[in-house]
Amino acid sequence: DTGVSQNPRHKITKRGQNVTFRCDPISEHNRLYWYRQTLGQGPEFLTYFQNEAQLEKSRLLSDRFSAERPKGSFSTLEIQRTEQGDSAMYLCASSSRDSAQSLGYGYTFGSGTRLTVV
Amino acid sequence: GQNIDQPTEMTATEGAIVQINCTYQTSGFNGLFWYQQHAGEAPTFLSYNVLDGLEEKGRFSSFLSRSKGYSYLLLKELQMKDSASYLCAVRDAPPHKLSFGAGTTVTVRA
Repeated sequence: DTGVSQNPRHKITKRGQNVTFRCDPISEHNRLYWYRQTLGQGPEFLTYFQNEAQLEKSRLLSDRFSAERPKGSFSTLEIQRTEQGDSAMYLCASSSRDSAQSLGYGYTFGSGTRLTVV
Repeated sequence: GQNIDQPTEMTATEGAIVQINCTYQTSGFNGLFWYQQHAGEAPTFLSYNVLDGLEEKGRFSSFLSRSKGYSYLLLKELQMKDSASYLCAVRDAPPHKLSFGAGTTVTVRA
């Protein structure tokens, strides 16, 4: 297992276009999180999946944003009608079900997708 | 919600020690994490505290006082490669969402 994989690494798009990012978590991890990070800030929570169920969404996740995890494995995050304010690093993280070991290690993050909206 | 504060920047000399403080006010607490993040890269796990006291891992140590809502990360024998942003994060009850501070940029000078 090579960890959490995110594609693409970089995306430049014109304002108003739709973009989709993909996250492949560590295979045995049932929890998957999306975060957004802007320059000089810490990551901000967007949404969370346990298996295929989306259990929590931040109010940061406007109706232009949608996330799916159709088979409880990989996840996609789509942004419709992108705006310049959407420019950020989008981070995916995964963790396993609660256990003494996993609780002590929190998440494993992917390398992120850097979105630039021009 | 969570309110997490840490200094914006710190500078130290190679071989020295630096202490990064983090204070938090949370509606739920299920552990405090420190992550290291180099520019343009993902955060990587450094340490975890859930009980009061000091956890030591090589050159890095982390301390927690739950009653004071306070933690610190201690970096010893600083190396140039330690120049990075250090993120304090508090985990809530399941689903174990992490709330992050804005990060402290540490610059190590020769």
